[in-house]
Amino acid sequence: GDSVTQMEGPVTLSEEAFLTINCTYTATGYPSLFWYVQYPGEGLQLLLKATKADDKGSNKGFEATYRKETTSFHLEKGSVQVSDSAVYFCALIRGSGNTGKLIFGQGTTLQVKP
Amino acid sequence: KAGVTQTPRYLIKTRGQQVTLSCSPISGHRSVSWYQQTPGQGLQFLFEYFSETQRNKGNFPGRFSGRQFSNSRSEMNVSTLELGDSALYLCASSFPGQETQYFGPGTRLLVL
Repeated sequence: GDSVTQMEGPVTLSEEAFLTINCTYTATGYPSLFWYVQYPGEGLQLLLKATKADDKGSNKGFEATYRKETTSFHLEKGSVQVSDSAVYFCALIRGSGNTGKLIFGQGTTLQVKP
Repeated sequence: KAGVTQTPRYLIKTRGQQVTLSCSPISGHRSVSWYQQTPGQGLQFLFEYFSETQRNKGNFPGRFSGRQFSNSRSEMNVSTLELGDSALYLCASSFPGQETQYFGPGTRLLVL
């Protein structure tokens, strides 16, 4: 079945460091890919998305490129801030026949120290 | 535009009781999906409703049920609560024809 695998956390970085959180997926067809972020005590916020191969999603300095050849959607940011500390989830959705069902990775906790 | 709202935000129940959670989607959104989040299992899909019909269902027992009203508001019900039902329950809505889901703040359920 479809699945998403994220790198184990927690990831601990100093402020202004470069961030990469790895995400790979297994799915039939052509899923859409997403990154969501969850701050303590809150729901999920959409961070960025990509709907087809080679698309790059970007938002608030975060970027991820849909790589079909490596089935990956790694999240990157050039310079993290303390306010980026949160849990990050990679997810996919496969449209036809499986509507409304996001499949999530296990989440990666990011801690940014000043 | 107001976001997805969920009520109540917190609930404490005892084993064997039942509970109903409510979700109001973003105006214009007609699809509502529900997810359970636990430390052990992560985020798992419960079901999805569109135009008052359940279109998709995850692998949860029949104790978990839902419905959607004509104004797209949705409720989920859990009967005969078990300790393992303690979780954060999230709902998400999406616009017709779009896959992007927008999440509410969740309802945190504690079963004692």
